[in-house]
Amino acid sequence: QKEVEQNSGPLSVPEGAIASLNCTYSDRGSQSFFWYRQYSGKSPELIMSIYSNGDKEDGRFTAQLNKASQYVSLLIRDSQPSDSATYLCAVIGYGGATNKLIFGTGTLLAVQP
Amino acid sequence: GAGVSQSPSNKVTEKGKDVELRCDPISGHTALYWYRQSLGQGLEFLIYFQGNSAPDKSGLPSDRFSAERTGGSVSTLTIQRTQQEDSAVYLCASSQITSGGAKYFGAGTRLSVL
Repeated sequence: QKEVEQNSGPLSVPEGAIASLNCTYSDRGSQSFFWYRQYSGKSPELIMSIYSNGDKEDGRFTAQLNKASQYVSLLIRDSQPSDSATYLCAVIGYGGATNKLIFGTGTLLAVQP
Repeated sequence: GAGVSQSPSNKVTEKGKDVELRCDPISGHTALYWYRQSLGQGLEFLIYFQGNSAPDKSGLPSDRFSAERTGGSVSTLTIQRTQQEDSAVYLCASSQITSGGAKYFGAGTRLSVL
Protein backbone atom coordinates (compact mmCIF):
# COMPACT_ATOMS: atom_id res chain seq x y z
CA GLN A 1 0.00 0.00 0.00
CA LYS A 2 1.32 3.40 -0.97
CA GLU A 3 1.68 5.88 1.85
CA VAL A 4 -0.35 8.54 0.04
CA GLU A 5 -2.80 7.56 -2.69
CA GLN A 6 -4.57 9.65 -5.27
CA ASN A 7 -6.54 8.86 -8.39
CA SER A 8 -4.33 9.89 -11.28
CA GLY A 9 -7.28 11.12 -13.35
CA PRO A 10 -7.72 13.00 -15.52
CA LEU A 11 -10.65 14.55 -13.73
CA SER A 12 -12.62 16.61 -16.23
CA VAL A 13 -15.11 19.21 -15.05
CA PRO A 14 -16.92 22.02 -16.89
CA GLU A 15 -16.06 25.62 -16.15
CA GLY A 16 -17.98 26.89 -13.14
CA ALA A 17 -18.49 23.44 -11.61
CA ILE A 18 -17.06 22.10 -8.36
CA ALA A 19 -13.98 19.94 -8.69
CA SER A 20 -13.48 17.36 -5.95
CA LEU A 21 -10.03 15.87 -5.45
CA ASN A 22 -9.44 13.04 -3.03
CA CYS A 23 -6.51 11.55 -1.16
CA THR A 24 -6.06 8.72 1.32
CA TYR A 25 -3.04 8.04 3.51
CA SER A 26 -1.80 5.00 5.35
CA ASP A 27 -0.06 6.42 8.44
CA ARG A 28 -2.79 6.83 11.05
CA GLY A 29 -0.50 9.06 13.09
CA SER A 30 -0.12 11.65 10.35
CA GLN A 31 -0.55 15.18 11.62
CA SER A 32 -0.14 17.62 8.77
CA PHE A 33 -1.68 17.64 5.33
CA PHE A 34 -1.06 19.79 2.29
CA TRP A 35 -2.39 20.33 -1.20
CA TYR A 36 -0.08 21.55 -3.93
CA ARG A 37 -0.85 22.61 -7.47
CA GLN A 38 1.66 21.83 -10.20
CA TYR A 39 1.37 23.22 -13.69
CA SER A 40 3.08 21.28 -16.44
CA GLY A 41 6.81 21.93 -16.41
CA LYS A 42 6.65 23.98 -13.22
CA SER A 43 7.45 23.27 -9.59
CA PRO A 44 4.71 22.55 -7.02
CA GLU A 45 2.96 25.51 -5.44
CA LEU A 46 1.39 25.26 -1.99
CA ILE A 47 -2.38 25.89 -2.04
CA MET A 48 -3.72 24.71 1.29
CA SER A 49 -2.60 23.19 4.55
CA ILE A 50 -4.86 21.52 7.10
CA TYR A 51 -4.07 20.04 10.48
CA SER A 52 -7.41 19.47 12.23
CA ASN A 53 -10.48 17.45 11.36
CA GLY A 54 -13.14 19.34 9.46
CA ASP A 55 -13.16 21.93 6.73
CA LYS A 56 -10.81 24.81 6.00
CA GLU A 57 -11.78 27.38 3.41
CA ASP A 58 -9.59 29.80 1.49
CA GLY A 59 -11.27 31.62 -1.35
CA ARG A 60 -12.54 29.09 -3.89
CA PHE A 61 -10.63 26.27 -2.19
CA THR A 62 -11.85 24.10 0.68
CA ALA A 63 -9.73 21.39 2.26
CA GLN A 64 -11.48 18.66 4.20
CA LEU A 65 -9.80 16.30 6.66
CA ASN A 66 -11.15 13.16 8.27
CA LYS A 67 -8.43 11.51 10.33
CA ALA A 68 -10.65 8.60 11.38
CA SER A 69 -11.09 7.65 7.73
CA GLN A 70 -7.55 8.72 6.82
CA TYR A 71 -8.96 10.86 4.07
CA VAL A 72 -8.26 14.38 2.90
CA SER A 73 -9.93 16.19 0.02
CA LEU A 74 -9.77 19.45 -1.86
CA LEU A 75 -12.83 21.15 -3.32
CA ILE A 76 -12.46 23.85 -5.93
CA ARG A 77 -15.59 25.93 -6.42
CA ASP A 78 -16.37 27.82 -9.62
CA SER A 79 -13.62 25.95 -11.45
CA GLN A 80 -11.75 27.94 -14.07
CA PRO A 81 -9.66 26.75 -17.03
CA SER A 82 -6.66 28.25 -15.22
CA ASP A 83 -7.21 25.67 -12.47
CA SER A 84 -6.22 22.93 -14.93
CA ALA A 85 -3.13 21.36 -13.39
CA THR A 86 -1.95 18.37 -11.40
CA TYR A 87 -2.96 18.50 -7.74
CA LEU A 88 -0.61 16.81 -5.30
CA CYS A 89 -1.61 15.65 -1.86
CA ALA A 90 1.19 15.57 0.72
CA VAL A 91 1.33 14.25 4.26
CA ILE A 92 3.78 14.56 7.15
CA GLY A 93 3.87 11.38 9.18
CA TYR A 94 4.12 10.99 12.91
CA GLY A 95 6.61 8.19 13.50
CA GLY A 96 10.23 7.99 12.48
CA ALA A 97 11.33 10.99 10.47
CA THR A 98 8.55 13.23 11.66
CA ASN A 99 9.19 15.90 9.09
CA LYS A 100 9.38 13.72 6.00
CA LEU A 101 6.79 15.11 3.61
CA ILE A 102 5.39 12.32 1.46
CA PHE A 103 3.58 13.06 -1.78
CA GLY A 104 0.91 11.23 -3.70
CA THR A 105 1.36 10.86 -7.43
CA GLY A 106 -1.17 13.61 -8.12
CA THR A 107 -4.51 14.01 -9.85
CA LEU A 108 -4.67 15.76 -13.20
CA LEU A 109 -7.57 18.21 -13.33
CA ALA A 110 -8.89 19.49 -16.65
CA VAL A 111 -11.44 22.31 -16.55
CA GLN A 112 -13.32 22.52 -19.82
CA PRO A 113 -14.31 26.04 -21.03
CA GLY B 1 16.33 36.23 -2.34
CA ALA B 2 12.61 35.97 -1.95
CA GLY B 3 12.32 32.31 -2.85
CA VAL B 4 14.17 29.04 -3.03
CA SER B 5 16.88 29.28 -5.67
CA GLN B 6 18.27 26.28 -7.55
CA SER B 7 21.10 26.05 -10.02
CA PRO B 8 21.68 25.13 -12.71
CA SER B 9 18.19 25.14 -14.15
CA ASN B 10 19.21 22.55 -16.72
CA LYS B 11 22.11 20.12 -16.76
CA VAL B 12 23.05 17.72 -19.52
CA THR B 13 25.77 15.24 -18.73
CA GLU B 14 27.25 12.04 -20.05
CA LYS B 15 26.72 8.72 -18.36
CA GLY B 16 29.41 8.11 -15.77
CA LYS B 17 30.11 11.77 -15.01
CA ASP B 18 29.56 13.38 -11.61
CA VAL B 19 27.14 16.29 -11.20
CA GLU B 20 26.48 18.82 -8.46
CA LEU B 21 23.14 20.52 -7.97
CA ARG B 22 22.78 23.55 -5.75
CA CYS B 23 19.95 24.83 -3.58
CA ASP B 24 19.83 28.18 -1.80
CA PRO B 25 16.85 28.13 0.60
CA ILE B 26 14.70 30.99 1.77
CA SER B 27 16.60 33.04 4.35
CA GLY B 28 15.84 31.89 7.88
CA HIS B 29 14.38 28.55 6.85
CA THR B 30 15.94 25.84 8.96
CA ALA B 31 14.56 22.81 7.11
CA LEU B 32 15.67 21.85 3.61
CA TYR B 33 14.42 18.97 1.44
CA TRP B 34 15.50 17.40 -1.82
CA TYR B 35 12.99 15.58 -4.03
CA ARG B 36 13.21 13.96 -7.43
CA GLN B 37 10.45 13.96 -10.01
CA SER B 38 10.68 11.76 -13.07
CA LEU B 39 8.58 12.51 -16.15
CA GLY B 40 4.90 12.02 -15.36
CA GLN B 41 5.63 10.77 -11.86
CA GLY B 42 5.10 12.04 -8.34
CA LEU B 43 7.71 13.55 -6.06
CA GLU B 44 10.20 11.09 -4.59
CA PHE B 45 11.72 12.12 -1.26
CA LEU B 46 15.53 12.03 -1.24
CA ILE B 47 16.95 13.74 1.84
CA TYR B 48 16.00 16.18 4.59
CA PHE B 49 18.14 18.58 6.63
CA GLN B 50 16.98 20.24 9.84
CA GLY B 51 19.34 22.70 11.52
CA ASN B 52 22.39 20.98 12.95
CA SER B 53 20.70 17.58 13.29
CA ALA B 54 21.87 14.57 11.33
CA PRO B 55 20.11 14.55 7.96
CA ASP B 56 17.41 12.02 7.11
CA LYS B 57 18.96 10.21 4.16
CA SER B 58 16.35 7.48 3.96
CA GLY B 59 15.23 8.43 0.46
CA LEU B 60 18.58 8.40 -1.30
CA PRO B 61 18.31 5.70 -3.99
CA SER B 62 21.94 4.56 -3.92
CA ASP B 63 25.35 5.40 -2.49
CA ARG B 64 26.07 7.38 -5.65
CA PHE B 65 23.85 10.09 -4.18
CA SER B 66 25.00 12.38 -1.38
CA ALA B 67 24.12 15.81 -0.09
CA GLU B 68 25.65 18.45 2.13
CA ARG B 69 24.32 21.56 3.75
CA THR B 70 26.97 24.07 4.71
CA GLY B 71 26.41 26.59 7.49
CA GLY B 72 22.76 25.64 7.74
CA SER B 73 22.02 27.37 4.46
CA VAL B 74 23.10 26.34 0.96
CA SER B 75 22.84 22.66 0.06
CA THR B 76 24.56 20.67 -2.66
CA LEU B 77 23.25 17.37 -4.01
CA THR B 78 25.97 15.31 -5.67
CA ILE B 79 25.35 12.39 -7.99
CA GLN B 80 28.44 10.35 -8.80
CA ARG B 81 28.84 8.16 -11.89
CA THR B 82 25.49 9.28 -13.29
CA GLN B 83 23.22 6.76 -14.96
CA GLN B 84 20.43 7.33 -17.48
CA GLU B 85 17.83 6.48 -14.85
CA ASP B 86 19.03 9.48 -12.84
CA SER B 87 17.44 11.75 -15.45
CA ALA B 88 14.72 13.72 -13.70
CA VAL B 89 13.87 17.10 -12.26
CA TYR B 90 15.51 17.59 -8.89
CA LEU B 91 13.50 19.86 -6.62
CA CYS B 92 14.58 21.57 -3.43
CA ALA B 93 12.17 22.86 -0.79
CA SER B 94 12.68 24.81 2.41
CA SER B 95 10.57 25.40 5.46
CA GLN B 96 10.64 27.67 8.50
CA ILE B 97 8.55 25.53 10.82
CA THR B 98 10.12 22.19 11.62
CA SER B 99 7.02 20.22 12.44
CA GLY B 100 3.86 20.58 10.48
CA GLY B 101 5.27 23.39 8.43
CA ALA B 102 4.59 24.00 4.80
CA LYS B 103 7.28 23.65 2.16
CA TYR B 104 8.17 26.07 -0.57
CA PHE B 105 9.83 24.76 -3.70
CA GLY B 106 12.50 26.05 -6.00
CA ALA B 107 12.10 25.88 -9.77
CA GLY B 108 14.15 22.70 -9.96
CA THR B 109 17.12 21.42 -11.92
CA ARG B 110 16.31 19.32 -14.97
CA LEU B 111 19.04 16.68 -15.25
CA SER B 112 19.48 14.77 -18.48
CA VAL B 113 21.99 11.92 -18.57
CA LEU B 114 22.90 10.87 -22.09
